[in-house]
Amino acid sequence: KQEVTQIPAALSVPEGENLVLNCSFTDSAIYNLQWFRQDPGKGLTSLLLIQSSQREQTSGRLNASLDKSSGRSTLYIAASQPGDSATYLCACVYNFNKFYFGSGTKLNVKP
Amino acid sequence: EAGVAQSPRYKIIEKRQSVAFWCNPISGHATLYWYQQILGQGPKLLIQFQNNGVVDDSQLPKDRFSAERLKGVDSTLKIQPAKLEDSAVYLCASSPRRGGPDTQYFGPGTRLTVL
Repeated sequence: KQEVTQIPAALSVPEGENLVLNCSFTDSAIYNLQWFRQDPGKGLTSLLLIQSSQREQTSGRLNASLDKSSGRSTLYIAASQPGDSATYLCACVYNFNKFYFGSGTKLNVKP
Repeated sequence: EAGVAQSPRYKIIEKRQSVAFWCNPISGHATLYWYQQILGQGPKLLIQFQNNGVVDDSQLPKDRFSAERLKGVDSTLKIQPAKLEDSAVYLCASSPRRGGPDTQYFGPGTRLTVL
């Protein structure tokens, strides 16, 4: 059974800090892993997609890593800003494009 | 390019009533998904369509939930009768390719409250 866990459930940091969000998964037979952002009352926005053959992916201040052997991924956010406040969801993608989501980390960046 | 459209955005009903949600995916996307997201949890797949055929509905409570995708475009999700535990956000997503690994594009969701 595919299970995805995200730690911590909530995080509050002052503006400018670097931070790391964690995602762990039980089934390593993933095609890819994706990180999404969800703002209140809105749908999910894809941030980064890491193919199973890749180790990391970068977009601006965001860097995601993947270690299939240990069943872990991290999302690193550099120089956090209040606009980064949102819930961040990790999704493991398996055969037939099935997405299994974690419960998310709710991030609050204080000005 | 227009995104995934959903309506209504909010719905409040009494338990045992019925409700329907509508989704219009991105034009040309072959695969459509309905998810249920309970407060504080990640989205959980209810049903996956490829064109107008069902690929996976293993987590759909079929005694009360039904879904269809006529003509392989729009889709409706229905709950009849609703229970208190159905209170959640119902998300629709679509992806362009048939079955292969691909990102999904999400609509804004419909927030359902069952009283």
